[in-house]
Amino acid sequence: AQSVTQLDSQVPVFEEAPVELRCNYSSSVSVYLFWYVQYPNQGLQLLLKYLSGSTLVESINGFEAEFNKSQTSFHLRKPSVHISDTAEYFCAVSHSRAAGNKLTFGGGTRVLVKP
Amino acid sequence: NAGVTQTPKFRILKIGQSMTLQCAQDMNHNYMYWYRQDPGMGLKLIYYSVGAGITDKGEVPNGYNVSRSTTEDFPLRLELAAPSQTSVYFCASSPDRANQPQHFGDGTRLSIL
Repeated sequence: AQSVTQLDSQVPVFEEAPVELRCNYSSSVSVYLFWYVQYPNQGLQLLLKYLSGSTLVESINGFEAEFNKSQTSFHLRKPSVHISDTAEYFCAVSHSRAAGNKLTFGGGTRVLVKP
Repeated sequence: NAGVTQTPKFRILKIGQSMTLQCAQDMNHNYMYWYRQDPGMGLKLIYYSVGAGITDKGEVPNGYNVSRSTTEDFPLRLELAAPSQTSVYFCASSPDRANQPQHFGDGTRLSIL
């Protein structure tokens, strides 16, 4: 069985400041990791994913996440946030044996960017 | 491209009523999913399907039923609505290749009173 823990339920941050959202997972097999973003009153959108290869993955809007196998973590970072980054962020995990590409989600981290 | 379309967007039901949440996708994805989202709990998988005619239970299937007669549609049925089913419901789909991301609809906000 897999589980995902997002250590912070809410993260207030000032505009142009850095932010880090923490994600830890547990799994007995090799995993694939995802970060999704949910803007108000919308569905989830894929932000970035780690499948294999380089442990540092980047999104097109300045976010990056680093896969750390020894610490079973996949923390998300952005060096300088914008007001438009206000959203809820979900970490999710899957694995190669998961029927139907099923995902297990963390509880979410709500980011509020203040001017 | 419409992507994943969910209807209705909002609904209020009385306890004991039944209803069907509709989900349609136009991306020819074989895999489809239903989740519920409750505050602080993330998304919990209710049911999923790997193709027309094939469905399976997720983490929280009790009180729900699904069917998958076509590749495009994956309706979710609540037979006897209960207050515990008040939630936001999301439908998603993905290609049937390993590790492909899921594409989500905009959700249905359901209140049971």
